[in-house]
Formats: sequence, structure tokens, C-alpha cells
Amino acid sequence: DGGITQSPKYLFRKEGQNVTLSCEQNLNHDAMYWYRQDPGQGLRLIYYSQIVNDFQKGDIAEGYSVSREKKESFPLTVTSAQKNPTAFYLCASSLRELTDTQYFGPGTRLTVL
Amino acid sequence: GQQVMQIPQYQHVQEGEDFTTYCNSSTTLSNIQWYKQRPGGHPVFLIQLVKSGEVKKQKRLTFQFGEAKKNSSLHITATQTTDVGTYFCAETGANSKLTFGKGITLSVRP
Repeated sequence: DGGITQSPKYLFRKEGQNVTLSCEQNLNHDAMYWYRQDPGQGLRLIYYSQIVNDFQKGDIAEGYSVSREKKESFPLTVTSAQKNPTAFYLCASSLRELTDTQYFGPGTRLTVL
Repeated sequence: GQQVMQIPQYQHVQEGEDFTTYCNSSTTLSNIQWYKQRPGGHPVFLIQLVKSGEVKKQKRLTFQFGEAKKNSSLHITATQTTDVGTYFCAETGANSKLTFGKGITLSVRP
């Protein structure tokens, strides 16, 4: 069954802690993305990667970090430097180009207490 | 950077009514994609429009790309409660990335 998985679905952390969100895909897609979704804000791009070991900042990269050591995996770390980390985080992938159709994972809802 | 506008952010309709929403840009777009996100879910790709004036249909949904490729519309005929959710348009313009609008959230009163 091909698709994108994100785990966990809900995540709670204390303020000041770093937290890593998982994203895995078995679609053999080259490009992967992380978005943040807040009510009324749409989808805001955090980071994206078109190839292993390379990634680019999106529109709101401050306070986040990523890695792309494998084609299938694109984990996102929300660091303590992120001022308002509570949000719904969506991972997506596309076949090759940044303009290709994107396929989204189910999302992780992060709450920082 | 280039952006598509979706206004209003929320719309409420009575079940059975038609619904139309627009996605507007101040510049010419290469193409437009539409996605739907059900409440509590994730965005799912619906359609891509590439040609000027293109019209595509999916059951009760009709998508159109403007003649000048600066806007797109989504029309739903006889809305049903299954149509609730947020509809996003996404454009691929000069910045070579897919950029999403803020979406319109549709609610349907049964």
C-alpha cells in the first residue's frame, strides 16, 4: 500500500523541548515538503527537499530543522527556538518537480504545553 | 512572491444550493491545482488546469481556468454534506514552486 505516513498523530511536549516529527513515503518520490497549518492561515511551507542530502528553506523556516538522509524519509525537528510551535504539521511529497501534484500525509498535531 | 487569493475564507450554504468559489492572481499563472481537505483530514489533490479557458468536471464539481490564466473557479452543483471541507487552490508561477492559497472553508446546512 503506497503512501505517506506521519507519526504520531498527536504529540504533546513541554515548552523548551525539541521534538522530531516523522515523515516516511514509499511512493519513490524525489521531492518532499513540510507545511504548517494554523486556523485561517492556509498551508505555509517550512522546508522542502528535492534530493537526498539537500534541502531548502521555505517561507517560515525559523525555529525548524530537517534532514534528508534517505529518499523515503524527511524528519522535521521543531526546536525550542520556534516561538509558537503548537500547530498541525503536514508532510507531503511529489514525484520530481516542485510543481508536481503533492500527496499529503495524515498530519501530526503538536501541542506544546 | 506570487500569490493566489481566495476570498472569502468561509462560506455557508444550504444543502442543495449551488456553490462557486474563485482563486485570483494579479499575474499570469502557468497552471492551477485544486485540493480538498476534509475536517480533521489532510489535503487531497482534486484537479489540475493548464490551458487557458480549460474546463474539467468531476461529478458535481466543475473547475475552470480563466481565459487570461489569472483566475480559476470551482463550482459545486447541488451541494451535499459530503462537500464540507476546505478547498485550496495552488499555483505554479515564476518562483517554480507550488504555492497554496489560504483556502475557503465550506459548511453545508442539512
